Amino acid sequence: GESVGLHLPTLSVQEGDNSIINCAYSNSASDYFIWYKQESGKGPQFIIDIRSNMDKRQGQRVTVLLNKTVKHLSLQIAATQPGDSAVYFCAEKGSSYKLIFGSGTRLLVRP
Amino acid sequence: DAGVIQSPRHEVTEMGQEVTLRCKPISGHNSLFWYRQTMMRGLELLIYFNNNVPIDDSGMPEDRFSAKMPNASFSTLKIQPSEPRDSAVYFCASSFGFDEQYFGPGTRLTVT
Repeated sequence: GESVGLHLPTLSVQEGDNSIINCAYSNSASDYFIWYKQESGKGPQFIIDIRSNMDKRQGQRVTVLLNKTVKHLSLQIAATQPGDSAVYFCAEKGSSYKLIFGSGTRLLVRP
Repeated sequence: DAGVIQSPRHEVTEMGQEVTLRCKPISGHNSLFWYRQTMMRGLELLIYFNNNVPIDDSGMPEDRFSAKMPNASFSTLKIQPSEPRDSAVYFCASSFGFDEQYFGPGTRLTVT
């Protein structure tokens, strides 16, 4: 599938290293945040979510950190693997149903 | 669970033709979303259904676009007449309530 933007920021990491993907969100009233992974030719895939009453949430090899003071969200991937290569989107949601997606970051994993 | 199912996966049509995209949401989900993704504009929400009822269609670009959800397991997005600028990947997503949305594999539409 197509990724977004002609000028996607790109993060290049060595296989086995940890990756940190950052996202600045816009609405201080947003109370729910999601990270999605989109591989070429596929739809966005849910990775992990976090609510605004939490600062940190861990999944399998992934950790999401939320800093509400500066409206910043990050996704940490431990021991990055070639299969992690994709475009990663953060999304925020307030009281309504609408998810507001960021523009995405392309992660490239070097063998 | 099969996830969200979309068909066709690829559609190539000529300008002026009618295009119908189909979506089967995850069983038990009560919210359905249609998105369009392009290089220039990213992911755009076109329309949102809750319990089969269209709640917000403000993202539908023009009257040429219409969407229906006749029952909880099926939705269509129709473009008539299609134009080259409609070329994009169209995603359907479903959720239960307002939490995480699960996306289908998308339909890549090319209008020549």
